[in-house]
Amino acid sequence: GENVEQHPSTLSVQEGDSAVIKCTYSDSASNYFPWYKQELGKRPQLIIDIRSNVGEKKDQRIAVTLNKTAKHFSLHITETQPEDSAVYFCAASKGGSYIPTFGRGTSLIVHP
Amino acid sequence: DVKVTQSSRYLVKRTGEKVFLECVQDMDHENMFWYRQDPGLGLRLIYFSYDVKMKEKGDIPEGYSVSREKKERFSLILESASTNQTSMYLCAVGDPNTGELFFGEGSRLTVL
Repeated sequence: GENVEQHPSTLSVQEGDSAVIKCTYSDSASNYFPWYKQELGKRPQLIIDIRSNVGEKKDQRIAVTLNKTAKHFSLHITETQPEDSAVYFCAASKGGSYIPTFGRGTSLIVHP
Repeated sequence: DVKVTQSSRYLVKRTGEKVFLECVQDMDHENMFWYRQDPGLGLRLIYFSYDVKMKEKGDIPEGYSVSREKKERFSLILESASTNQTSMYLCAVGDPNTGELFFGEGSRLTVL
């Protein structure tokens, strides 16, 4: 089955800095890569996703890049703000079945 | 507005008790999932269901069973709760067209 590795487990940055979270996956058939954000005490929610026919996708301060050859994808957050503090999960799945395998999560702490 | 409702936010049970966790959706989607969330371990798939009366094992099904008698309702059952099943349980509903998961608020179970 699919295996998703996520690093780092904890990331601490100063407000205004950039943050990068990296994930690798094992199944070359995976073609859908979502990122979920879970604020303290809240449910995970999708913030951005990328499909294998695209190399990069941006949405305001967040972007995701995908390298299919190396089987890794990354989340980039620019100009971090305290409200970006949360746990972020990457996932990988195959389109059609959409049964995601999640990484272990990254706890992002943004210091004011 | 998407709604995934989990019946209990907090439960305390004794070892050996039978536990029911219920999840109800209003999106009319076929795909429903039960995940277990533990610090440092991320979101691990217990069971999922593609349709009524259909179920598939996820990565950690041991000690759990599920029931899907109606499309909108997916229940997780712990036949005989054990202390190592103390955890946060998250139900999710999958959009079959986009792959996005919509999560419930979670049920925090403590087994004494």
